[in-house]
Amino acid sequence: DAGITQSPRHKVTETGTPVTLRCHQTENHRYMYWYRQDPGHGLRLIHYSYGVKDTDKGEVSDGYSVSRSKTEDFLLTLESATSSQTSVYFCAISEANSPLHFGNGTRLTVT
Amino acid sequence: GENVEQHPSTLSVQEGDSAVIKCTYSDSASNYFPWYKQELGKRPQLIIDIRSNVGEKKDQRIAVTLNKTAKHFSLHITETQPEDSAVYFCAPPAGGTSYGKLTFGQGTILTVHP
Repeated sequence: DAGITQSPRHKVTETGTPVTLRCHQTENHRYMYWYRQDPGHGLRLIHYSYGVKDTDKGEVSDGYSVSRSKTEDFLLTLESATSSQTSVYFCAISEANSPLHFGNGTRLTVT
Repeated sequence: GENVEQHPSTLSVQEGDSAVIKCTYSDSASNYFPWYKQELGKRPQLIIDIRSNVGEKKDQRIAVTLNKTAKHFSLHITETQPEDSAVYFCAPPAGGTSYGKLTFGQGTILTVHP
């Protein structure tokens, strides 16, 4: 599974609550990404990181923040969850000039 | 940003037939063209990719062809088997050269009937 662990695997939360999803890798890859997957939209990039403390926005970053304090960990935070953020969230890793590999995903439901 | 269209959205074939999925993109700077397979409830997995200096790449029953002039690339699966049933995504990079900042197509649901 390319040494990527996402936690939790499933979460149900209420509108307005903060939520943090964690991605942990054991591959020592430089680049880490958060994507979300929704029916009819494929996968869309939320945020990515190109090193410790170096992050940037993707296509659908509004309402999300990220942090990377260690090479192996990349956190995605929803400061105040909304129903439109109900989705499956995938973490992915890569090295320079090498393909993207995904974790097993976190299914988030915001009620 | 990159505009990606994938066709068809669904494809149904008999076991042993061939399947072809086409992906068109808009960014002429794109130089990396991967295809991902996602089985129900699982993570997307890379099945084949091609760089822009190559027109075709083959790996056993799977091949990818690239037409940079027309800005499209295609996935070819020969001798299909029931385990090929899945959703397939093309994902050229957003901004040309990234291997990780990808723009995914909407997906093609392939069903292989025994």
